[in-house]
Amino acid sequence: DSGVTQTPKHLITATGQRVTLRCSPRSGDLSVYWYQQSLDQGLQFLIQYYNGEERAKGNILERFSAQQFPDLHSELNLSSLELGDSALYFCASSVRTGGSGANVLTFGAGSRLTVL
Amino acid sequence: ELKVEQNPLFLSMQEGKNYTIYCNYSTTSDRLYWYRQDPGKSLESLFVLLSNGAVKQEGRLMASLDTKARLSTLHITAAVHDLSATYFCAVTMDSNYQLIWGAGTKLIIKP
Repeated sequence: DSGVTQTPKHLITATGQRVTLRCSPRSGDLSVYWYQQSLDQGLQFLIQYYNGEERAKGNILERFSAQQFPDLHSELNLSSLELGDSALYFCASSVRTGGSGANVLTFGAGSRLTVL
Repeated sequence: ELKVEQNPLFLSMQEGKNYTIYCNYSTTSDRLYWYRQDPGKSLESLFVLLSNGAVKQEGRLMASLDTKARLSTLHITAAVHDLSATYFCAVTMDSNYQLIWGAGTKLIIKP
C-alpha cells in the first residue's frame, strides 16, 4: 500500500456519461497529480494541484476537470465520455512542488475506466 | 521544450544476461527519476539521481546520470524473471517540478 488511495478501482460506463474519480494523497503530501495511461499513449500528465490550487496543466481535455479540496483529496471529473477515454487513470502525490531536492511521486493503484 | 527519449522501447532477454536501458533528455536538468511498473499495476519509484555522476544501485539494478551528456542509464545485471516490468525515466523540467516522462521500456525476461 503506497498510501495514495484511489477509488473506484474499476469503472465501466457508456459513451456520453460522466464519472468522477477520487484520490486521497499520502499523509503529509500537498501536491496531487493526475495521469492518464492508455495502451497507445503511454503516461500522459493531466493536471497538478498543490494545497488546493492548480499548479500545472498538461494534456487535459476540456471535457475533463479536477479540483483539490481543503482536506487535500482530489477529484477528476470526466464528462461526455468517448471510447478513447478508456484508460488507467493514476493519481500521484508528493510533498513538494518546487525548490531544491527531489520530487518523488507516490502513485496510487489507479482507476481503470472502460467506456463502452 | 524538454523531451525525454528511452531506448529500447521493448526488450526481451534471457535470464542471466546483462543489459542497459538508456534515457536521453533534450535540455538541462539535474534531477532524474526511474520508476518501475508491473503489468496492470501502479508505478513504483526506483531511483532518484540528483547530480552529475550520481550512481545508485539496488540489487541487480544500477542507475547512473551524466548531466553533460544528458543521459541516464539503467543497467541490469544477471537478469532474473522478477525484473520483468516496464521501466520509465522522468526528468524535471524546471523549478516548477513538472516531471517529463519517457515512453517506457517494456522488459521481458525469459526463464
